[in-house]
Amino acid sequence: GAGVSQSPRYKVAKRGQDVALRCDPISGHVSLFWYQQALGQGPEFLTYFQNEAQLDKSGLPSDRFFAERPEGSVSTLKIQRTQQEDSAVYLCASSPSTEAFFGQGTRLTVV
Amino acid sequence: AQSVSQHNHHVILSEAASLELGCNYSYGGTVNLFWYVQYPGQHLQLLLKYFSGDPLVKGIKGFEAEFIKSKFSFNLRKPSVQWSDTAEYFCAVNLISGGYNKLIFGAGTRLAVHP
Repeated sequence: GAGVSQSPRYKVAKRGQDVALRCDPISGHVSLFWYQQALGQGPEFLTYFQNEAQLDKSGLPSDRFFAERPEGSVSTLKIQRTQQEDSAVYLCASSPSTEAFFGQGTRLTVV
Repeated sequence: AQSVSQHNHHVILSEAASLELGCNYSYGGTVNLFWYVQYPGQHLQLLLKYFSGDPLVKGIKGFEAEFIKSKFSFNLRKPSVQWSDTAEYFCAVNLISGGYNKLIFGAGTRLAVHP
């Protein structure tokens, strides 16, 4: 496809359940970012990949959050033992250099 | 810590009114500056960007922004808004450090334009 694709678009998880969110970046984009956007807030940086290397994970809120990009293209954000405060829209963006292109996001609701 | 501040969380205007949304950032190094827009139900889209050169940059749909380095500001302007400009606007700063980028966003300004 032409843009960044994220799946699923919506996810409802019971508290304590593990979830995996997928991001298909634009082909050839070296950089990949994950952001968390809570209701009424701006996107908050979670982590950054350059190809398969995770260069910055300073924004991951706890060790329950884990991201990977094993072959330098598709990325997965995994959240273990979800809690209600994890409810948010999770955005993925890819970039060839300095301009980022965003996906539609995955809206996660933890009940 | 690096941060981006947007002064107004909600702005309500009538069509044809002029718009200015404030954005300030706190980072002393090299930055690239962006404004993104999010229309209802859609993903974030780039409105305009500043990398270097002329500090007055023009974007899509008649928007422009001015980079004032001494004030660490990058305010967004439009002379005459339309109903279709109703959206949420995010200022973002790309911190260039150690050979990689880190895009930091402000909290956003929700703009409602009434016909």
